[in-house]
Amino acid sequence: AQTVTQSQPEMSVQEAETVTLSCTYDTSENNYYLFWYKQPPSRQMILVIRQEAYKQQNATENRFSVNFQKAAKSFSLKISDSQLGDTAMYFCAFMTGTGGGADGLTFGKGTHLIIQP
Amino acid sequence: NAGVTQTPKFRILKIGQSMTLQCAQDMNHNYMYWYRQDPGMGLKLIYYSVGAGITDKGEVPNGYNVSRSTTEDFPLRLELAAPSQTSVYFCASSYAKGFNEKLFFGSGTQLSVL
Repeated sequence: AQTVTQSQPEMSVQEAETVTLSCTYDTSENNYYLFWYKQPPSRQMILVIRQEAYKQQNATENRFSVNFQKAAKSFSLKISDSQLGDTAMYFCAFMTGTGGGADGLTFGKGTHLIIQP
Repeated sequence: NAGVTQTPKFRILKIGQSMTLQCAQDMNHNYMYWYRQDPGMGLKLIYYSVGAGITDKGEVPNGYNVSRSTTEDFPLRLELAAPSQTSVYFCASSYAKGFNEKLFFGSGTQLSVL
């Protein structure tokens, strides 16, 4: 079974600053996918960014980027030029890439990110 | 295109009551999932389905049942509700499993068992 750990329950930064959210995971598999989801107060789950484990290059989506360290089983999210609308819960998630079943996503407990004006 | 629709949005149950949470998608997705999100926690998988007539247990299936008689619908049944089932329930769907398959979430059902 896979586990995902987010060690920062809450973080607060000023608008326009850069913030990094931590995520570590544990798995014995070699083929898997990693995701960051954003959950604003509306409860909607929004995909922020995703990474394939076999790709060395870190994924980037506009102001969002990841630092994927496969050997260390670490998958941190960096948000540059933070905006008030970035205030939300952020969840790191893991999906196995093998097997015929659906398996679904394994989520961490989340980090509550607050962007201060 | 409605996406993933969950009903109801809110519900209060008494201990021992039963109810069905409805989930429907109009995207012809094969894969459907039920998750629960306890306060301050991440989502945990309850049940999933890879197609009509096929369902399987996730991480926390006890106290729940599902069925998948059509591609569109994936209802979650709570029998004999308990306070431990107080949670927000999310339904999600995707066309297939894989990195490039976007997972669509419903807006959630907030359930309180008192």
